[in-house]
Amino acid sequence: AQSVAQPEDQVNVAEGNPLTVKCTYSVSGNPYLFWYVQYPNRGLQFLLKYITGDNLVKGSYGFEAEFNKSQTSFHLKKPSALVSDSALYFCAVRLNTGGFKTIFGAGTRLFVKA
Amino acid sequence: GAGVSQSPSNKVTEKGKDVELRCDPISGHTALYWYRQSLGQGLEFLIYFQGNSAPDKSGLPSDRFSAERTGGSVSTLTIQRTQQEDSAVYLCASSPGLAGNTGELFFGEGSRLTVL
Repeated sequence: AQSVAQPEDQVNVAEGNPLTVKCTYSVSGNPYLFWYVQYPNRGLQFLLKYITGDNLVKGSYGFEAEFNKSQTSFHLKKPSALVSDSALYFCAVRLNTGGFKTIFGAGTRLFVKA
Repeated sequence: GAGVSQSPSNKVTEKGKDVELRCDPISGHTALYWYRQSLGQGLEFLIYFQGNSAPDKSGLPSDRFSAERTGGSVSTLTIQRTQQEDSAVYLCASSPGLAGNTGELFFGEGSRLTVL
């Protein structure tokens, strides 16, 4: 079955420290990969995506993500965390076979402590 | 419109009643998605529309759930004979048509359903 895994329910990091939120996927073909963020009582907002090309993609709010085909991973990173980065982060994969369904991981809650 | 609009934002209903949730996508977006987010859970895919047709409705949890889209725009998700386990936030998202679709989804703020 095609799936997206976010192995950590929660990530805690101190403000100013680097952060990583992990994502791995199991899908066929060449999927598009995404990260979204959800702030309390809000819908999801797009952060960044990988379609093709450079394995390191940059997105909104200083976030970046590294695509690793051999490890089927797409980890979200930021060099220096801010308290305002505290939110729920979702990794997503758009399946490019048999339609354009997008499936999501379970989400990782990020807490950045001052 | 400027963004994806969902209504109602909050709905409290009694077990056994029917509910309708509405989604108005961004103007010109031909793809429309419904997801369900339960407390502490990730996003569960329900159904996807391309225009008025639904190529993938594999995520609808039971035959009590149905969705339609008319005029390639507004979509309605209907839950019949609601159960307490239907309580969740129902999120709608849209994206441009296939020709210009780079993949990202634009989400509404959701409809929170509480079944008593």
